[in-house]
Amino acid sequence: EIVMTQSPATLSLSPGERATLSCRASQTVYNSYLSWYQQKPGQAPRLLIYGTSTRATGIPARFSGSGSGTDFTLTISSLQPEDFAVYYCQQDYNLPLTFGGGSKVEIK
Amino acid sequence: EVQLVESGGGLVQPGGSLRLSCTASGFTFTTSWMHWVRQVPGKGLVWVARINTDGTSTSYADAVKGRFTISRDNAKNTVYLQMNSLRADDTAVYYCVKDGWGSWGQGNLVTVSS
Repeated sequence: EIVMTQSPATLSLSPGERATLSCRASQTVYNSYLSWYQQKPGQAPRLLIYGTSTRATGIPARFSGSGSGTDFTLTISSLQPEDFAVYYCQQDYNLPLTFGGGSKVEIK
Repeated sequence: EVQLVESGGGLVQPGGSLRLSCTASGFTFTTSWMHWVRQVPGKGLVWVARINTDGTSTSYADAVKGRFTISRDNAKNTVYLQMNSLRADDTAVYYCVKDGWGSWGQGNLVTVSS
């Protein structure tokens, strides 16, 4: 099983600041198979990024993804009030498909 | 617009059974693999199962293998999750998800408790 480890668990930032979230895989994940999701309380997750760096439909350009191999990053260039949420990475390269434990971006 | 509408959740006793349904619309269901993902309230996301387009290939997380069965009825645009021998640690919100991961159901709470 590929274990996905996200850091930090919680990130306290102010609107307008840059957020950098990390996701590390226990084995190589090929780029096509790494995704990022945003989840707000009481809502289903929303796909932000797939294939490591491709924004999903309707996702603003302030969200960007990068990385390769075992290390991946989600960057939010300038936090907007609606961006405070929990973010998950996921690999769908190997079964079982696995998610990271999540990183919460909270208002400082 | 893609829609995934789930039903069938609720309260069940340990050892009991429950069947979740997810009815799809707004896309070609017969060409889409489908998944179930669950989330204990306040915790992270866990993949549960997936099924291919015609139902001939299924895969499961170890935690549910042998107890849960994913299936589909393409004539009804519906995917199912039959859950047997339920345990307290199966308590979660269950989401159905269209492959590609861009479309999720609203979530359906399953509570296993006596």
